[in-house]
Amino acid sequence: DGGITQSPKYLFRKEGQNVTLSCEQNLNHDAMYWYRQDPGQGLRLIYYSQIVNDFQKGDIAEGYSVSREKKESFPLTVTSAQKNPTAFYLCASSILGGGAVREQYFGPGTRLTVT
Amino acid sequence: RKEVEQDPGPFNVPEGATVAFNCTYSNSASQSFFWYRQDCRKEPKLLMSVYSSGNEDGRFTAQLNRASQYISLLIRDSKLSDSATYLCVVSHAGNNRKLIWGLGTSLAVNP
Repeated sequence: DGGITQSPKYLFRKEGQNVTLSCEQNLNHDAMYWYRQDPGQGLRLIYYSQIVNDFQKGDIAEGYSVSREKKESFPLTVTSAQKNPTAFYLCASSILGGGAVREQYFGPGTRLTVT
Repeated sequence: RKEVEQDPGPFNVPEGATVAFNCTYSNSASQSFFWYRQDCRKEPKLLMSVYSSGNEDGRFTAQLNRASQYISLLIRDSKLSDSATYLCVVSHAGNNRKLIWGLGTSLAVNP
């Protein structure tokens, strides 16, 4: 079955620790995205990548880092510099077509709690 | 003004009812439009893309009005399983690879 997997589903960390969230897709999509969702707020873009070994900052990239070494994988590291890391993190992917953004498909998300 | 605005609801409707949601967007240069649904504590799932001519998928109909800068979603014959939050999504006018997400409209379909 084609899809996007994220692991783990729930993650608990102590303040001051870096943590890496996994995202893998087998849809052969070129573009991948990381969002966070907080209660009462819309999805906010952290980073996105349209091609292997290249990525761009989204609207709230501070305190996060990513890599895109393989087309299928786009891990997100939440560093200790992120001031409010507790959130629901969502990974998405899409094809790149023409000049317009295409539909994005999401993984099940990772709920990160930092105490 | 927010880039994408939706009435948060909640909309409470009985099974079988027809319900409509509107969403307004601020930038006339936006090119792509979508409706997603999100169940509680789950990921958003694509419901439908919205095309200029309007489009229908079963009980769901989406319309785009570029002149007034709004999109709409009509759900006919509501089912209990339609209870969810409906997210209006618009492409970023300055960067066509980004999406701007509304906060969502909450729908509860009651037996």
